[in-house]
Amino acid sequence: DQQVKQNSPSLSVQEGRISILNCDYTNSMFDYFLWYKKYPAEGPTFLISISSIKDKNEDGRFTVFLNKSAKHLSLHIVPSQPGDSAVYFCAAIWSGSARQLTFGSGTQLTVLP
Amino acid sequence: EPEVTQTPSHQVTQMGQEVILRCVPISNHLYFYWYRQILGQKVEFLVSFYNNEISEKSEIFDDQFSVERPDGSNFTLKIRSTKLEDSAMYFCASSVGSQETQYFGPGTRLLVL
Repeated sequence: DQQVKQNSPSLSVQEGRISILNCDYTNSMFDYFLWYKKYPAEGPTFLISISSIKDKNEDGRFTVFLNKSAKHLSLHIVPSQPGDSAVYFCAAIWSGSARQLTFGSGTQLTVLP
Repeated sequence: EPEVTQTPSHQVTQMGQEVILRCVPISNHLYFYWYRQILGQKVEFLVSFYNNEISEKSEIFDDQFSVERPDGSNFTLKIRSTKLEDSAMYFCASSVGSQETQYFGPGTRLLVL
């Protein structure tokens, strides 16, 4: 049951360039989306979120874009820094099951100095 | 900055033994969650807890699992008779409200032998 999919298991980017992480979902009931970052041996750390009534949310170097018709969201990090190297998880939630996060499988981002 | 804490960080147990994983959610949060991540797999929702009762649980959360808030600060997950397949990272999370961002603890790595 892959309601949230991250098709790229890994991504490498040069320092200073843009990182684009993608996420697709199948459940049209999802109405709130989040990105978490995870370092080894740590829990997921919240980065940024977006409600389905918006198509963009920005916080510093991080911007999340939502395309509801395509059931696709992306996280842009610009400029990328070596400290951004981590696993990034996309997660979704829907009002009917408001408390349950459904996670994607994650994308390992490596920012090369 | 307030954070979710979990103890122990690592737990090794024999199959069939009971384990209790402990969490201290962020103090003003009202919703509490347990998730797990089996090695190489997605982060999966187990259970959510509000107002001293379970509000949602997944099919993973069978009769071997239970949760409790024994006092005003701790939130525990008990596995009554552990199985080999219970080996995973267990993450506790909390949120202010059901529609609010969930903040995760660092996890407990459980190994069942």
